Amino acid sequence: DQQVKQNSPSLSVQEGRISILNCDYTNSMFDYFLWYKKYPAEGPTFLISISSIKDKNEDGRFTVFLNKSAKHLSLHIVPSQPGDSAVYFCAASDHGSGNTGKLIFGQGTTLQVKP
Amino acid sequence: EADIYQTPRYLVIGTGKKITLECSQTMGHDKMYWYQQDPGMELHLIHYSYGVNSTEKGDLSSESTVSRIRTEHFPLTLESARPSHTSQYLCAVGLAGVGELFFGEGSRLTVL
Repeated sequence: DQQVKQNSPSLSVQEGRISILNCDYTNSMFDYFLWYKKYPAEGPTFLISISSIKDKNEDGRFTVFLNKSAKHLSLHIVPSQPGDSAVYFCAASDHGSGNTGKLIFGQGTTLQVKP
Repeated sequence: EADIYQTPRYLVIGTGKKITLECSQTMGHDKMYWYQQDPGMELHLIHYSYGVNSTEKGDLSSESTVSRIRTEHFPLTLESARPSHTSQYLCAVGLAGVGELFFGEGSRLTVL
């Protein structure tokens, strides 16, 4: 029973265009959401996060949107660069359960940005 | 941020061997985690610790064990490795008051 789902295993975009990565969740208790970027044979690197009290958070080329009613979040990368090519993981946590810090991850989406 | 170190980065070992994956951090963070990840799959939490002498099993059942004798050290041990243990093992720390985890570079284990 997967609580965080990334239904698109892969995405290919042209350099300079927008990349949109999507994530759905089922647990309404999740109140904090994160995106990580991962290169092969390396650990995930934190990109951006959003609290459930917000619907948008922006950091440079990266913007995360949260739609709580739809239990959906998305990561927008504008403009996309070849160096953005990696696997992107969506993650969620439930701070209400005592701030355990445990994250639940989606399966990841492999982004390829073509020059 | 956090400085977190994992060794070995890569390990190829025969079935039945005992292995220990090391994870160390230098900043004195209390919360540490072990995740397991197979290619194309999500990261699964297998162990976590909230401080010295505190260890808990994660959401994914694992035959591995962990210990937390010192704050900075959170090793993972497999007493008898099997091919099904082939995976990438990722150690992470959680910073107080911050929601994100910071990961080490991972240990890629292959059991033949």
